[in-house]
Amino acid sequence: DAMVIQNPRYQVTQFGKPVTLSCSQTLNHNVMYWYQQKSSQAPKLLFHYYDKDFNNEADTPDNFQSRRPNTSFCFLDIRSPGLGDAAMYLCATSRDTSNRGRKETQYFGPGTRLLVL
Amino acid sequence: AQSVAQPEDQVNVAEGNPLTVKCTYSVSGNPYLFWYVQYPNRGLQFLLKYITGDNLVKGSYGFEAEFNKSQTSFHLKKPSALVSDSALYFCAVRASSGGYQKVTFGTGTKLQVIP
Repeated sequence: DAMVIQNPRYQVTQFGKPVTLSCSQTLNHNVMYWYQQKSSQAPKLLFHYYDKDFNNEADTPDNFQSRRPNTSFCFLDIRSPGLGDAAMYLCATSRDTSNRGRKETQYFGPGTRLLVL
Repeated sequence: AQSVAQPEDQVNVAEGNPLTVKCTYSVSGNPYLFWYVQYPNRGLQFLLKYITGDNLVKGSYGFEAEFNKSQTSFHLKKPSALVSDSALYFCAVRASSGGYQKVTFGTGTKLQVIP
């Protein structure tokens, strides 16, 4: 009963060749996040979708894009991967509301490790 | 701006001994606080959270954490460590009010439980 699923678990791409990572969820959560994590560092938030609204972090490079065609799926597109983009990419979801007592627990997928050759 | 400090890069503890992984935070207003664990090449697993109420929070796998508002701390504890607890632990914080606030993670503490 997987809740946040990421495919593939390992992805090898070539320098400059576009790559897409996928995330799906069975939790029906309205918020989905993409994080980049390098070698045992803290996860770095790239962007998130609050329902259909896309929210980019100020320091996320233009090379990173995202799509969320429906509630369940979210994609991370790297238009021209560089060697520095090799990392673990984590997808997470949460159910966020505007009411008091909202719960912000984020549930993470297993991650996709990206290798750039 | 909110922040989280995990002052120890690594904590070593003998199996069966109590363990503590430290976390202090800075946030405007009341915090929501979280602990996550990450095993090698895996995503983050939620352990426990403090939202409101009792300062002592119990979570998964026998872990607990104590919220201390005066010391702005949220240390993770376990009475008796297992070798299988060896992993990377992340503390995280977000503000509880003021519209959407992203979660800020600490830099992580590697826990090594020695048999």
